[in-house]
Amino acid sequence: GNSVTQMEGPVTLSEEAFLTINCTYTATGYPSLFWYVQYPGEGLQLLLKATKADDKGSNKGFEATYRKETTSFHLEKGSVQVSDSAVYFCALRLMAGTALIFGKGTTLSVSS
Amino acid sequence: SQTIHQWPATLVQPVGSPLSLECTVEGTSNPNLYWYRQAAGRGLQLLFYSVGIGQISSEVPQNLSASRPQDRQFILSSKKLLLSDSGFYLCAWSTRQSSNTEAFFGQGTRLTVV
Repeated sequence: GNSVTQMEGPVTLSEEAFLTINCTYTATGYPSLFWYVQYPGEGLQLLLKATKADDKGSNKGFEATYRKETTSFHLEKGSVQVSDSAVYFCALRLMAGTALIFGKGTTLSVSS
Repeated sequence: SQTIHQWPATLVQPVGSPLSLECTVEGTSNPNLYWYRQAAGRGLQLLFYSVGIGQISSEVPQNLSASRPQDRQFILSSKKLLLSDSGFYLCAWSTRQSSNTEAFFGQGTRLTVV
């Protein structure tokens, strides 16, 4: 079946550290890939997306590259801030109008 | 611009009581609508999705049901709540036309069944 696997959290970093959150997927076809962020007590917000192989999505200093050969979409940021503390979800969509399939989420905690 | 409204924000209900959570979308037509549940440590679970009025697909068997009485209204219900129904419920919408587009989420409802 189609699924998304994220690295287990929580991830605890100091401010200005480098961040990587791993995400791999299994899909029957060529999905679009997404990263969402959830701040405490809120809904999900789209962080970035990529729709085909080798595309790079970027937003607010975060980046992720769609790697078809490794079926991965790892999230990176060069220098995290305390305000980046949140839960990050990787997701895929296979066909127009179908539901997003999410990973279990990774909690990031950044301390000053 | 499109907006999605979900209410209430928090809810505490006794076991065995009924439930009704409402979600409405503005600024778009014919959206796909979704209900997800987020339980602690378990990520996001798709509960229901709808591609049109009266058309509901259920992803997992459970104590909940969904209805879509109008194009931009999606309701999550239960006749008798269980303790295991506690969680964070999220409504979302997306367009039908492309797999490239994201889903847009409401602010969620925190349900505690006591």
